[in-house]
Amino acid sequence: GAGVSQSPSNKVTEKGKDVELRCDPISGHTALYWYRQSLGQGLEFLIYFQGNSAPDKSGLPSDRFSAERTGGSVSTLTIQRTQQEDSAVYLCASSLIAPQNTGELFFGEGSRLTVL
Amino acid sequence: AQKVTQAQTEISVVEKEDVTLDCVYETRDTTYYLFWYKQPPSGELVFLIRRNSFDEQNEISGRYSWNFQKSTSSFNFTITASQVVDSAVYFCALSEAGSYGKLTFGQGTILTVHP
Repeated sequence: GAGVSQSPSNKVTEKGKDVELRCDPISGHTALYWYRQSLGQGLEFLIYFQGNSAPDKSGLPSDRFSAERTGGSVSTLTIQRTQQEDSAVYLCASSLIAPQNTGELFFGEGSRLTVL
Repeated sequence: AQKVTQAQTEISVVEKEDVTLDCVYETRDTTYYLFWYKQPPSGELVFLIRRNSFDEQNEISGRYSWNFQKSTSSFNFTITASQVVDSAVYFCALSEAGSYGKLTFGQGTILTVHP
């Protein structure tokens, strides 16, 4: 498709299990971002990949969270030993990089994670 | 640290009314960028506008207009003659120079437009 694709759209897991969330950005977009949207914390930046540069991981809330981007395209966000407070919608976005970047992020529809 | 405040949690209007969504921001940067995004019920955030800190000109796009005032650190968004399709959550956001995509979002304003 033409937009940012995320899977799964919904994931229910038990506390303590690991989960993987996938993001397929728009073709040609070399910048990729993960955000988290929860009732208590709103929209929070998690991690940012830009081209071949080292990712900006400054928003990851704990070492249980990690992300990788293979081949400069698809990205996977992994949450280990999930906790109930990890329940949220995880949003992925992609964009062009400067100077073509107008600041417009293209978001996917998100992966809703529920930790029981 | 950067902060964005959208004091209006929810706004309800009747179709054709004008509505203004407020946004106040805090940053120590002299160069920064301000954004508005719309999140309709489908959940996908949609970009509306970007403004850089050196450009205080107001902008109009159809029924949408934005008023940026550095003196009050505000970047307000007005919808003229609102329509039911405008019902959504609207987010104001801020980023530092060179990091367009690393956004600090406000808490969002839920706008409901009744027919």
